[in-house]
Amino acid sequence: EVQLVESGGGLVQPGGSLRLACAASGFTISRHWMLWFRQAPGKGLEWVALINQDGGEEYYADSVKGRFTISRDNARNSLFLQMNSLRADDTAVYYCARDVSAAEDCWGLGTLVTVSS
Amino acid sequence: DIQMTQSPSSLSASVGDRVTITCRASQTVRNYLNWYQQKPGKAPKLLIYGVSTLQSGVPSRFSGSGSGTEFTLTISSLQPEDFATYYCQQSSRTRSFGQGTRVEFK
Repeated sequence: EVQLVESGGGLVQPGGSLRLACAASGFTISRHWMLWFRQAPGKGLEWVALINQDGGEEYYADSVKGRFTISRDNARNSLFLQMNSLRADDTAVYYCARDVSAAEDCWGLGTLVTVSS
Repeated sequence: DIQMTQSPSSLSASVGDRVTITCRASQTVRNYLNWYQQKPGKAPKLLIYGVSTLQSGVPSRFSGSGSGTEFTLTISSLQPEDFATYYCQQSSRTRSFGQGTRVEFK
């Protein structure tokens, strides 16, 4: 079964850091672009970052550029999101997703990040 | 950045109704237009990719059409399990979503 499972969410103070992980099973991430999305409470979906198959290309939403870093470890079949200088408006459920044919056909269940003092 | 605008933001419908949701892009996205369904507390589910290609396992009552900057998602006969929020997404340049259309029970 193709599956993505996020971990690493939690409560963090403003200005703090958090590292999210996404473990893939049932497929090999090295064949896919991989992405992070987020959804603030009661709000719509927002793209956060994407990375190509070998990690040589990364793209970020303007809202997180310079603060977040996407990375991958193909040997561990895992995707990561390092989040620094967190702000209250970063509070959201964060999803990892797999790209196939320029669409996201597999999503994790999400991990909640809450930025609050 | 490409801005995506959906309409309506919400609609009320009954089982069996034909439902149409529109999505407009601020510039051409060619055929890189996808539709997702999301239910409360769940991850989004891919319905249609490349404007009109039905994702495997998605019922044929869902269809997509359009080109360039104007796109449509149609549900030909609304079923109880279709009450959800629907998002369009462009994947021509990075990613961006419409604000969502909530389909509610009339």
